[in-house]
Amino acid sequence: KAGVTQTPRYLIKTRGQQVTLSCSPISGHRSVSWYQQTPGQGLQFLFEYFSETQRNKGNFPGRFSGRQFSNSRSEMNVSTLELGDSALYLCASSTQARSYEQYFGPGTRLTVT
Amino acid sequence: AQSVTQPDIHITVSEGASLELRCNYSYGATPYLFWYVQSPGQGLQLLLKYFSGDTLVQGIKGFEAEFKRSQSSFNLRKPSVHWSDAAEYFCAVGADNAGNMLTFGGGTRLMVKP
Repeated sequence: KAGVTQTPRYLIKTRGQQVTLSCSPISGHRSVSWYQQTPGQGLQFLFEYFSETQRNKGNFPGRFSGRQFSNSRSEMNVSTLELGDSALYLCASSTQARSYEQYFGPGTRLTVT
Repeated sequence: AQSVTQPDIHITVSEGASLELRCNYSYGATPYLFWYVQSPGQGLQLLLKYFSGDTLVQGIKGFEAEFKRSQSSFNLRKPSVHWSDAAEYFCAVGADNAGNMLTFGGGTRLMVKP
């Protein structure tokens, strides 16, 4: 079974631009969660989608948004990029509606210049 | 809200030596506990998990962890470390009322000396 895939793997953007990251979960998984990983703040939860509904949201500004499609694929969008948004963005998928095994993708490395 | 502390930022062990990585959590009810490993430039791989039942759980790659409620700990152990175990290790906690949201510790970077 294919794992979680994230595209693109690497991205360079300029301050003020916006960016969209994509995540395709493992087939049959209906939950997709997003995390931001930085050296200073570590791994921080962004949001979770289950069956196209946002179920949880972390403590991030409204510039960070996401959505999930009927095929469970998910996108996250960051508008008006700031230098501090440079990070590894990880997506995780799970079959269940609550804390069961999650499988992480390789991440998208976003660099904001 | 739940929280996780990994007291050791860096640990260096010799190949073949035993390993214990510490993890302390804060959560009012029975937590769901996880250990993940991350190699450079990679995503996270689940090593093992604890939901309930037997407090000693076995995982992949020869790792095990023990849940101690009285100490709010979930330490990761391996009897004999291999050079390929060098990576960063994250302890995480989930909660019954938080969907699939995980709260991670700051991580412990493991270095293995030949």
